[in-house]
Amino acid sequence: QTVVTQEPSLTVSPGGTVTLTCSSSTGAVTSGHYPSWIQQKPGQPPRSLIHSTSKRSSWIPARFSGSLLGGKAALTLSGVQPEDEAEYYCLLYSGGLGVFGGGTKLTVL
Amino acid sequence: VQLLESGGGLVQPGRSLRVACVASGFTFSSYTMIWVRRAPGKGLEWVSDISGSGRSTKYAASVKGRFIISRDNSKNTVFLEMTNLRAEDTAVYYCAKDPLGRYDWTDGDYYFYGMDVWGQGTTVTVSS
Repeated sequence: QTVVTQEPSLTVSPGGTVTLTCSSSTGAVTSGHYPSWIQQKPGQPPRSLIHSTSKRSSWIPARFSGSLLGGKAALTLSGVQPEDEAEYYCLLYSGGLGVFGGGTKLTVL
Repeated sequence: VQLLESGGGLVQPGRSLRVACVASGFTFSSYTMIWVRRAPGKGLEWVSDISGSGRSTKYAASVKGRFIISRDNSKNTVFLEMTNLRAEDTAVYYCAKDPLGRYDWTDGDYYFYGMDVWGQGTTVTVSS
C-alpha cells in the first residue's frame, strides 16, 4: 500500500513564503496521482485548496499554489496570513484509491 | 452547493450503522461522491468513493468488505453502510464531491479525482 509522506510541522512568519511537500513511497509524484491539498482547522470541516496538482478552487486566494517539485507534489503559500495557521493534508490517488498524507501542522509565528 | 451528513451516533462493536449525505445546488448525478473520515487524534483518511451513476465503487483496505457506498440520484443522496463496526472506526465522517464532474467516455460514466466541497461531518462512535 502506498504511503504518502509530508513534513510533520513547519513554521513561517507572517508575510513570508513556505512550501509544503508530499512524496509517495512508490516513486515520483506525477500529475497522474491527481495531487490535492486540503486545509483543516480545529473544529472545522476540511476545506479543499488545490486539486489536480495546481487547480485552485474558485474561492481560494491566489496566495495558495500547487505544483510538482523534484518528484514531489508541493503547496506554496505566499504572503502568509495569521489565518493560514492550520493542518494541511496532501491526497494522492494510487491504483485508483485515495491516500492521504499524515498532514503538516503549519504555525504562523 | 451544500452537503449535509446525518445518521451518526453511538453504536456497539460488531453492529451496523448507515450514514447519509444529502446534496443540493449542483447536478448530483454528474459528480463522484467521496467519504473521508477523521479519527480522534489522527489525520484524514480516504474511505470510499462512487461514480456518478453508482456503477463504480472503491474502498480503502481498512473498510473493504465491511462498508458499502451507494447513491440514490433521484434523492441527491449518497450513503455509507458500515457493518461489523470496530472501535477504530470511531471518527467524524465527511462527504465531499469531486471538483469537475467529468464524463469519462471510456467508462461511460462520470468520475473524477479529488474534492472541492465538503459537508460538516457526522460523528460515529463505536463503543460498548
